Amino acid sequence: KAGVTQTPRYLIKTRGQQVTLSCSPISGHRSVSWYQQTPGQGLQFLFEYFSETQRNKGNFPGRFSGRQFSNSRSEMNVSTLELGDSALYLCASSTDRGLKETQYFGPGTRLLVL
Amino acid sequence: AQKVTQAQTEISVVEKEDVTLDCVYETRDTTYYLFWYKQPPSGELVFLIRRNSFDEQNEISGRYSWNFQKSTSSFNFTITASQVVDSAVYFCALSDIYGNKLVFGAGTILRVKS
Repeated sequence: KAGVTQTPRYLIKTRGQQVTLSCSPISGHRSVSWYQQTPGQGLQFLFEYFSETQRNKGNFPGRFSGRQFSNSRSEMNVSTLELGDSALYLCASSTDRGLKETQYFGPGTRLLVL
Repeated sequence: AQKVTQAQTEISVVEKEDVTLDCVYETRDTTYYLFWYKQPPSGELVFLIRRNSFDEQNEISGRYSWNFQKSTSSFNFTITASQVVDSAVYFCALSDIYGNKLVFGAGTILRVKS
């Protein structure tokens, strides 16, 4: 079974621009979560989508948004990029049949904001 | 609020030594899940183990073992006879019963030298 895939793997943007990252979950997985990893703040939860609806949200500004499509693929968007948005963005998926879920992570997208 | 503390920032060992990575957590939930993930230089988080709060049995998987002690809110991870391939960053994480919003510790960098 293919794992979680994320595209692109690397991205360079400049301040003020916007960016869209994509995540394809493991086949059959319906929940997709996004995390930001930075040297200073570590791994932080951004949001989680299930059945095209945002179900959980972390403590990030409104510039960070996401969506999920009917095939469970998800995208996250960051508008008006700031230097501090440079990070590794990780996507994780789980089956979400109820309790006892384990999240499986993709390889991440490394975003550099100049 | 949930919190995970990994007090060891970096550990260096020589191959074949045993090493224990510490994890202490805080939560008000009575039911919760604890996880360990490994992050090699490639960046992808690799799932190692999930343990629920009702199961305090220690677990062993090959060279890996986990010691969960609810009384001290700790979930420590031991690698026996470490190998160079074990070099990575190891994260301990905590979630509620649904498991779709992980709270991570800061991670422990493990360097195994030959």
